[in-house]
Amino acid sequence: DSGVTQTPKHLITATGQRVTLRCSPRSGDLSVYWYQQSLDQGLQFLIQYYNGEERAKGNILERFSAQQFPDLHSELNLSSLELGDSALYFCASSVVKGAEAFFGQGTRLTVV
Amino acid sequence: ILNVEQSPQSLHVQEGDSTNFTCSFPSSNFYALHWYRWETAKSPEALFVMTLNGDEKKKGRISATLNTKEGYSYLYIKGSQPEDSATYLCASKGSGAGSYQLTFGKGTKLSVIP
Repeated sequence: DSGVTQTPKHLITATGQRVTLRCSPRSGDLSVYWYQQSLDQGLQFLIQYYNGEERAKGNILERFSAQQFPDLHSELNLSSLELGDSALYFCASSVVKGAEAFFGQGTRLTVV
Repeated sequence: ILNVEQSPQSLHVQEGDSTNFTCSFPSSNFYALHWYRWETAKSPEALFVMTLNGDEKKKGRISATLNTKEGYSYLYIKGSQPEDSATYLCASKGSGAGSYQLTFGKGTKLSVIP
């Protein structure tokens, strides 16, 4: 158990809908990263927050947004969902920059 | 955005064989290099975090080296066992603007045949 909790584990939704994925980092970790893993693709970096502030943005679509709350949990919001958004979404947390990241179990999103 | 490349993409070895794979990353503005082990149906788990040129780290039968000047790292597995079967990911973090992201390679999938 990495100490990072992601909910839900599985999500099936229709095209055009909006979903929210939730991540609770390890106790004490200030950094939260979001990654997307699609079929045959590696881990694609989406966005990173540190202590409530956005620190880095990767290949995140405009339809996607995220935030980190004062209690350090983070949410990834995916809207106007398309079939191609079906993927495994991972959250990871770390104490500080450069430290090892601890991954959650992922949320498997299926858009039908 | 950093480009991290790993080779080979996949590898099949016999139990007991030793093996190694490569991770290459941009050497400019380097901050840290991470190795992760990712078993099927699980989440990636950190093996090593390396920051210094020439650094070598070891955990049991697995070791890694780092060359920050030329931008590569090797992961070695001595005497491979079936339980070593997994995808091994490396990730690089830079020190310049936009450096906070941890950029992953696509991984090397290792299959150890009993």
